[in-house]
Amino acid sequence: GAVVSQHPSRVICKSGTSVKIECRSLDFQATTMFWYRQFPKQSLMLMATSNEGSKATYEQGVEKDKFLINHASLTLSTLTVTSAHPEDSSFYICSAYVTGGPEAFFGQGTRLTVV
Amino acid sequence: GIQVEQSPPDLILQEGANSTLRCNFSDSVNNLQWFHQNPWGQLINLFYIPSGTKQNGRLSATTVATERYSLLYISSSQTTDSGVYFCAVMNSGGSNYKLTFGKGTLLTVNP
Repeated sequence: GAVVSQHPSRVICKSGTSVKIECRSLDFQATTMFWYRQFPKQSLMLMATSNEGSKATYEQGVEKDKFLINHASLTLSTLTVTSAHPEDSSFYICSAYVTGGPEAFFGQGTRLTVV
Repeated sequence: GIQVEQSPPDLILQEGANSTLRCNFSDSVNNLQWFHQNPWGQLINLFYIPSGTKQNGRLSATTVATERYSLLYISSSQTTDSGVYFCAVMNSGGSNYKLTFGKGTLLTVNP
């Protein structure tokens, strides 16, 4: 299957700082990537759709100024959590489809802890 | 939006036992995937199965799209099968490849 890589896998930051998470498609190009958030013992909730070369589309209730998404190339999308607060602590996961393919593939996830 | 319900929420097995996990969905779908989330959080693709039956080793899955459910079978379970199993669907009327996840089934396989 296709490989999606996320970096970092874990990050601890201080309250008020910003954190950038990278999502890369390693062996395919992805015009669209997706960012999910998962709280402990809960399901995945879609946050936003990242579109290469255009603005991201955010799900209802997701603050676009808090969660900045940049999809600058066909293999890289970044999620920046700005002015992080403890309530932003969570597990963030990205996914992508091989162009025209039916299956979504997921990165390893990033566990963010804001202290 | 489309609703996805998974059952049971929790399942505890002895090694070697068989199990069936169920996924019900509220509308027609053109994509259904089963995933295994391992203890480190990685989502492993198990099946892409919007309809029909597939098998991969000890795992198999069946989706009856007309009746809006899918089943994941695990035979001869092993401790490494432990983790959360998610069903995710894409509504046929939806767009942009968005997947909606169920709440998952937490499987614990004891030695």
